[in-house]
Amino acid sequence: GAVVSQHPSRVICKSGTSVKIECRSLDFQATTMFWYRQFPKQSLMLMATSNEGSKATYEQGVEKDKFLINHASLTLSTLTVTSAHPEDSSFYICSARGGPAKNIQYFGAGTRLSVL
Amino acid sequence: GENVEQHPSTLSVQEGDSAVIKCTYSDSASNYFPWYKQELGKGPQLIIDIRSNVGEKKDQRIAVTLNKTAKHFSLHITETQPEDSAVYFCAAPGRESNFGNEKLTFGTGTRLTIIP
Repeated sequence: GAVVSQHPSRVICKSGTSVKIECRSLDFQATTMFWYRQFPKQSLMLMATSNEGSKATYEQGVEKDKFLINHASLTLSTLTVTSAHPEDSSFYICSARGGPAKNIQYFGAGTRLSVL
Repeated sequence: GENVEQHPSTLSVQEGDSAVIKCTYSDSASNYFPWYKQELGKGPQLIIDIRSNVGEKKDQRIAVTLNKTAKHFSLHITETQPEDSAVYFCAAPGRESNFGNEKLTFGTGTRLTIIP
């Protein structure tokens, strides 16, 4: 099956620091990767869509300078939360598409970010 | 864009009984409907999906039905077991974006609890 690895699983940082989250497709080339944010007991909210080698497409209301996305290869996308603040604390989840069944999104295990 | 509504938000079922979760969508162009299971602190896992050219799909104890005319689809879990306890999300893609990337819009989730 298609495996998506996301690291770190948990990060605690001080306010004002930047945090980088990695998302890797381990056994397939991901033509598209997605980044979601999920608050407790809520649904997944799409933040941005990224295609390898091109700029990410951000959803309305998501600050592209705050949430930097790099999709440098077909197996790796990174999300950097710049100058993190307590309100950025959330569960961030990536997904990748392009596996054996090309329309299916395979999700990573998520990253819980806590900003002190 | 696509609008997905999911009901109920919580569901408690006696072990061995069946559980049904329903979703409605707004965009008649949607043609792919996945269901994801999310356990606490983890990323969503695809459990079953259905395409618009069929009305029902079954995989062991899990089935999904689709009514395109009414624009709703349902998840059915039979012979429920304690390990079925989780949050379940439905999703629909809506129309394709400029890149041909179907962005999934998720329902609000159903917290299913199986009572031993």
